[in-house]
Amino acid sequence: QKEVEQDPGPLSVPEGAIVSLNCTYSNSAFQYFMWYRQYSRKGPELLMYTYSSGNKEDGRFTAQVDKSSKYISLFIRDSQPSDSATYLCAMTLNGNQFYFGTGTSLTVIP
Amino acid sequence: NAGVMQNPRHLVRRRGQEARLRCSPMKGHSHVYWYRQLPEEGLKFMVYLQKENIIDESGMPKERFSAEFPKEGPSILRIQQVVRGDSAAYFCASSPSEYEQYFGPGTRLTVT
Repeated sequence: QKEVEQDPGPLSVPEGAIVSLNCTYSNSAFQYFMWYRQYSRKGPELLMYTYSSGNKEDGRFTAQVDKSSKYISLFIRDSQPSDSATYLCAMTLNGNQFYFGTGTSLTVIP
Repeated sequence: NAGVMQNPRHLVRRRGQEARLRCSPMKGHSHVYWYRQLPEEGLKFMVYLQKENIIDESGMPKERFSAEFPKEGPSILRIQQVVRGDSAAYFCASSPSEYEQYFGPGTRLTVT
């Protein structure tokens, strides 16, 4: 079983839609959760970073962590064509090793 | 504040040669991580270093691969006697603590 599972998509939505991206994980000891955006042939860019359970909002982005279900989500409101990218979830227990999902490819259609 | 820098951006090596990948962390960051990314796969952790110390190398193959982060200068990922299976994108990330990571643009290694 993989440490982190993420649906690869692809996901295609019209501009302005709300996007929901999700990951599940197997290790209940993970404490820190991150979302990255990666454009083609570029390095991942940190979007959101949360500790333990709960919600965190930053502009159009909201990250949710449900440790009881071992499930994390990223919501993008009012999606824009510039949001088209691959979104990676990541998590760590103690900051030594980070485990990444395989990424979800998102296309926002104008 | 300049971001994480990696060079070269593209590297071509013949089988059996050595590959040296460099990573200069962001100013003030003392933690460096190296990852490998293959097409259709996620980022795979290789090694975590702090200045002059390897903290966790459990993701790095025991043979042919080594990493260092000297007191002065960039972090180096070294692959000896490269094989075709080493072809991948290699990313480094730096961090001011142990939880936030900022990635460089990557080095794309092609082994012919």
